[in-house]
Amino acid sequence: NAGVTQTPKFQVLKTGQSMTLQCAQDMNHEYMSWYRQDPGMGLRLIHYSVGAGITDQGEVPNGYNVSRSTTEDFPLRLLSAAPSQTSVYFCASSSRTTREETQYFGPGTRLLVL
Amino acid sequence: AQSVTQPDIHITVSEGASLELRCNYSYGATPYLFWYVQSPGQGLQLLLKYFSGDTLVQGIKGFEAEFKRSQSSFNLRKPSVHWSDAAEYFCAVAPDNYGQNFVFGPGTRLSVLP
Repeated sequence: NAGVTQTPKFQVLKTGQSMTLQCAQDMNHEYMSWYRQDPGMGLRLIHYSVGAGITDQGEVPNGYNVSRSTTEDFPLRLLSAAPSQTSVYFCASSSRTTREETQYFGPGTRLLVL
Repeated sequence: AQSVTQPDIHITVSEGASLELRCNYSYGATPYLFWYVQSPGQGLQLLLKYFSGDTLVQGIKGFEAEFKRSQSSFNLRKPSVHWSDAAEYFCAVAPDNYGQNFVFGPGTRLSVLP
């Protein structure tokens, strides 16, 4: 198993540009999520999904869209990038939505918005 | 709302010395608690977790943590630190309303002197 994979590893955008951060998992996990990591703030939940076709907002959803058309993939879209979205983005997945389940994290995408 | 605090932003210890990283949480019910480690440029890896039962839990890489309900704490310890332990450490709580939407602390960066 490759686990949770994310592409790209690093991206530079100009303000107003759009892009999609890719996340895929090959563990047939039901739950997937996106976090952003900023210095001194830990990880904050952006969006999450409990299965194909089902998504919901987390703590900091503004400026981001998601969709879940398949179990494997959970892309994160920035429609019009802003400097405040400069961050490191992590995708995570787990087999179920209960609290006991371990979340597995991808390696992260570092995004710089100029 | 749930919250997690890690009072120490940065800790430096000598190799072979003992380590304790502090974590305090604010949560109304029985917390599900986790410690994750993030090595430079990597994703997050689960060190250990606490759900119930014995308040001293063992994790990977020789780490342990003790849950103290009276102090709302879940401190991480290691008796003898290795240079490879240099990383960022995150404490997290899983709320019971949606178990996988973790709330993370801001992290503690650990440096190890040779």
